[in-house]
Amino acid sequence: DTGVSQDPRHKITKRGQNVTFRCDPISEHNRLYWYRQTLGQGPEFLTYFQNEAQLEKSRLLSDRFSAERPKGSFSTLEIQRTEQGDSAMYLCASSLGQGAGEPQHFGDGTRLSIL
Amino acid sequence: KNQVEQSPQSLIILEGKNCTLQCNYTVSPFSNLRWYKQDTGRGPVSLTIMTFSENTKSNGRYTATLDADTKQSSLHITASQLSDSASYICVVTRYLSGTYKYIFGTGTRLKVLA
Repeated sequence: DTGVSQDPRHKITKRGQNVTFRCDPISEHNRLYWYRQTLGQGPEFLTYFQNEAQLEKSRLLSDRFSAERPKGSFSTLEIQRTEQGDSAMYLCASSLGQGAGEPQHFGDGTRLSIL
Repeated sequence: KNQVEQSPQSLIILEGKNCTLQCNYTVSPFSNLRWYKQDTGRGPVSLTIMTFSENTKSNGRYTATLDADTKQSSLHITASQLSDSASYICVVTRYLSGTYKYIFGTGTRLKVLA
């Protein structure tokens, strides 16, 4: 169990640029979640996948955001035309299933800074 | 409205002292409640999970309690250590229409001083 891996750990970009983050979940986990966390706040749900199917998207996920999980393994989160308000930590989590007791295993996040 | 509120927002204690963090929730229907520890710059790590029928659960120096009637939980840290400095996040799982939804609190930031 190598844990959930996220890349890059840090991303600095200019406003208006596109960015893409990658998440590699724990290998046998079929559920994958994306969250956004700003300083002093708890994680806010963005979207989740069951295998390759994107089952739910938050209203926070504007049309500038898109997530994919093409083969049910790794996932990418893309933000187009970044804005200042996109600056945050983007966390990925995975879980084995959706039993009540199944914990979410979080990666260490990608910290995005918009200049 | 389904919400999770944590108090205090931040806390500073001396090494070796005990402390208690609070979590009040209005989430329904309730499935379980989990406490996470989040070190600065890291992802949250699960400390303990409480189900409806459980009142107390310990994990080393961490003891969580749950009062499902009043919808309150607490996390007690005994004999604090410098490494306990972190944010502690309460997450309530809501079960609705065959799916689980996770409602996160905003966390309590604990600083342990030598």
